[in-house]
Amino acid sequence: QKEVEQNSGPLSVPEGAIASLNCTYSDRVSQSFFWYRQYSGKSPELIMSIYSNGDKEDGRFTAQLNKASQYVSLLIRDSQPSDSATYLCAVNGGSSASKIIFGSGTRLSIRP
Amino acid sequence: DADVTQTPRNRITKTGKRIMLECSQTKGHDRMYWYRQDPGLGLQLIYYSFDVKDINKGEISDGYSVSRQAQAKFSLSLESAIPNQTALYFCATSALGNEQFFGPGTRLTVL
Repeated sequence: QKEVEQNSGPLSVPEGAIASLNCTYSDRVSQSFFWYRQYSGKSPELIMSIYSNGDKEDGRFTAQLNKASQYVSLLIRDSQPSDSATYLCAVNGGSSASKIIFGSGTRLSIRP
Repeated sequence: DADVTQTPRNRITKTGKRIMLECSQTKGHDRMYWYRQDPGLGLQLIYYSFDVKDINKGEISDGYSVSRQAQAKFSLSLESAIPNQTALYFCATSALGNEQFFGPGTRLTVL
C-alpha cells in the first residue's frame, strides 16, 4: 500500500463546475497536509495547507481533512481552464516526521 | 527575486560525464531536498539535509551524491551520468515540519 494515494485521472470537469480531488494516507499519526498544483514541465506550487479536521477555504479552493478516515480532499469552485494541471497531495509528520510524502498526483482537465 | 534558484535550468550531457546541479535559497530554511521527476510520474526523493552537517539518503540515492556547502546551498552531483537519469530535477526547502517550497527545476538530458 502506498503511503499517500491519489487517483491518477485524468479528471475532466466542465468550466464553472466544482472539481473534487481526493487523497488517502496510511500513517494514522500524520499531522500536516498540503496540496500542490503542478503545470506540465513546471515546479510544484503550494496552494493549500491544512492541519486540523474540517474545512479550510482560500478563495476558490477548499481543503477538507478527516483524520479518522485518513482522507484529505481539495475542492475547486468555479473551475477555470487555468486550473488544468496535476494536483499533488502531500503529508508530513507521523512516523516519517522528517520529510513530506507526496502522492503521485491527479491530472485535472477543465473543458470549456 | 526567486526564493529558491537552481542552475543550470537545462543541461544536455553525454553518458559517463560528471554533472553538478546547484540550488540556492534565500528563505532562511534549514531543510533542503533534491527530487527527480520522470514524465508523468510523481516526485522521488534523492537526498535531503536538515542542516550543514546532516545529510540523508532518500529513496533513490544510488548514482547520486550531494554537498551542503552552506545553509543556503545544496548541490547534487551525478558522478557518471547514464541515460536513465534523464529527468526533471527539483530542489526544495522547508522550515521545521512545514510545507516545502520548490525551485524552478533543472531539465537534464543524458545522451
